[in-house]
Amino acid sequence: GENVEQHPSTLSVQEGDSAVIKCTYSDSASNYFPWYKQELGKRPQLIIDIRSNVGEKKDQRIAVTLNKTAKHFSLHITETQPEDSAVYFCAASRGGGNKLTFGTGTQLKVEL
Amino acid sequence: GAGVSQSPSNKVTEKGKDVELRCDPISGHTALYWYRQSLGQGLEFLIYFQGNSAPDKSGLPSDRFSAERTGGSVSTLTIQRTQQEDSAVYLCAISGTVAYNEQFFGPGTRLTVL
Repeated sequence: GENVEQHPSTLSVQEGDSAVIKCTYSDSASNYFPWYKQELGKRPQLIIDIRSNVGEKKDQRIAVTLNKTAKHFSLHITETQPEDSAVYFCAASRGGGNKLTFGTGTQLKVEL
Repeated sequence: GAGVSQSPSNKVTEKGKDVELRCDPISGHTALYWYRQSLGQGLEFLIYFQGNSAPDKSGLPSDRFSAERTGGSVSTLTIQRTQQEDSAVYLCAISGTVAYNEQFFGPGTRLTVL
């Protein structure tokens, strides 16, 4: 089955700096890669996703890149703000309604 | 978290008791998923339902866990003879109606087994 590894487990950055979180996956049939943000005590919220037919996708201050050959994908947050502080999870799926396999999460702290 | 509610929001039970957790999605979402999140941990897939297909039960941790989905809408996750290690937040998710890729989570049920 699919295995998703996520690094780092914790990340502390200064406000305004960039943050990068990286994930690798094992199943070459995976073709859908979402990222979720989870604030303390809240449900995971989908913030961006990418499908295997594209290499990069941007949405304002966040972007995701995908390298299918190397089986890794990354989340980039620019101009970080305190409200970006949360746990971020990557995930992988074969798409078409299949289950998500999640990484172990990254605790991002944006310091003033 | 558009389109799905869960009940109860919190459930405290004693070891050995059975519990039922409910997920109520807005109609039109054919795929429904259950995940479990233990304290400080990631999300673990349990089971998913898609249309009239047989459910994928590959993530259920033991035969004490079962789930059903009636009428293609409401789903119930049942845990029999609960154990302390069952304590977690149980999250239901639904897929988007168009791409069947995006999954949106409900607020979850926090289960505590004493």
